[in-house]
Amino acid sequence: SQKIEQNSEALNIQEGKTATLTCNYTNYSPAYLQWYRQDPGRGPVFLLLIRENEKEKRKERLKVTFDTTLKQSLFHITASQPADSATYLCALEENTDKLIFGTGTRLQVFP
Amino acid sequence: SQTIHQWPATLVQPVGSPLSLECTVEGTSNPNLYWYRQAAGRGLQLLFYSVGIGQISSEVPQNLSASRPQDRQFILSSKKLLLSDSGFYLCAWREDRVVGETQYFGPGTRLLVL
Repeated sequence: SQKIEQNSEALNIQEGKTATLTCNYTNYSPAYLQWYRQDPGRGPVFLLLIRENEKEKRKERLKVTFDTTLKQSLFHITASQPADSATYLCALEENTDKLIFGTGTRLQVFP
Repeated sequence: SQTIHQWPATLVQPVGSPLSLECTVEGTSNPNLYWYRQAAGRGLQLLFYSVGIGQISSEVPQNLSASRPQDRQFILSSKKLLLSDSGFYLCAWREDRVVGETQYFGPGTRLLVL
């Protein structure tokens, strides 16, 4: 069966450290993978997109990697801040009109 | 610039009552439109999507239906709500026929069925 898995347990880290979130997928062949941030009671907001032929993409303190052999994407936030606390969702697309979302990982950054 | 609206923001409905949630997009033409549901502490479940007026694709068979009467209007409906219909409903849009494009989400409607 097709699955997109993110760590369901919350990730708690200290301010200033690097947060690393994982997205694993099974039985998909994504052309693109996206990461979104969702705050409580709000809709998700787009952060980064990476294509299947890209290994890494960066935007300010954010970095995404995409390994189609391991079927995994890693999302890194360097120099994390309490304001980075939120749920982070990965989503993949297989050259169709729709995104399929993972369950999300809640990140809590403590001062 | 483009904006997306959803209403109502919050809704409490009795079991067996009908439902109508509306989503409208401004500032773009012929967008792809999506309805998602998010149960408490869970991920986004794609319910319906539409690539044009009157074109609806259903992802999960259930108690809900969707319609797109106008280019930038997407409606989620039910004739009789179930307790399991409770959740956070999100509408989203993206540019038409552009693979790898970002989706933009509305503010959501929180539905509680009692």
